[in-house]
Amino acid sequence: EADIYQTPRYLVIGTGKKITLECSQTMGHDKMYWYQQDPGMELHLIHYSYGVNSTEKGDLSSESTVSRIRTEHFPLTLESARPSHTSQYLCASSQRGRAFFGQGTRLTVV
Amino acid sequence: GESVGLHLPTLSVQEGDNSIINCAYSNSASDYFIWYKQESGKGPQFIIDIRSNMDKRQGQRVTVLLNKTVKHLSLQIAATQPGDSAVYFCAENNQGAQKLVFGQGTRLTINP
Repeated sequence: EADIYQTPRYLVIGTGKKITLECSQTMGHDKMYWYQQDPGMELHLIHYSYGVNSTEKGDLSSESTVSRIRTEHFPLTLESARPSHTSQYLCASSQRGRAFFGQGTRLTVV
Repeated sequence: GESVGLHLPTLSVQEGDNSIINCAYSNSASDYFIWYKQESGKGPQFIIDIRSNMDKRQGQRVTVLLNKTVKHLSLQIAATQPGDSAVYFCAENNQGAQKLVFGQGTRLTINP
């Protein structure tokens, strides 16, 4: 199975706080992705990267930002969390089109 | 724009029966398709994939069928077991765009 890790698994944080969701993969994949998913609903692509120093916005508008300084690391940052950011965030990396997912971070902003 | 949708949001089957989960896609340029299984509290897990130069692919207890004429994809699970209970997503990829687009998901429930 894939080696892609997300931390934290669960996060409850107050409105206005800055947060960073971590994602790391040990497979050497160039492509990495962040998806946002409400429970039982479809996955929406919010950011992706084709390699180091490459980042692009996805199909769903998001107030978050990402960086890709190292191949294995693709953190997502929210500068000022709001209740509307409450959701599950899934990180993935891919090789030849097939994406491998982390366990996700369930974020609750109160 | 690109979209991948599923015909049914929920599917309930008897344990031991075969399950068929359907998916329609709209982007005729898509050339790679994947089925994922997502259990509660976990990330999506790869089940099986198929490229557009094929119309059928079989795995262990699962078969994916691709009909490019009507842009339809299906996942067949043989002898459904309680462990198959999950939400199933189809996803399409346009190699040119290199982005995976997901459908809405079908929740599969197994009745004992």
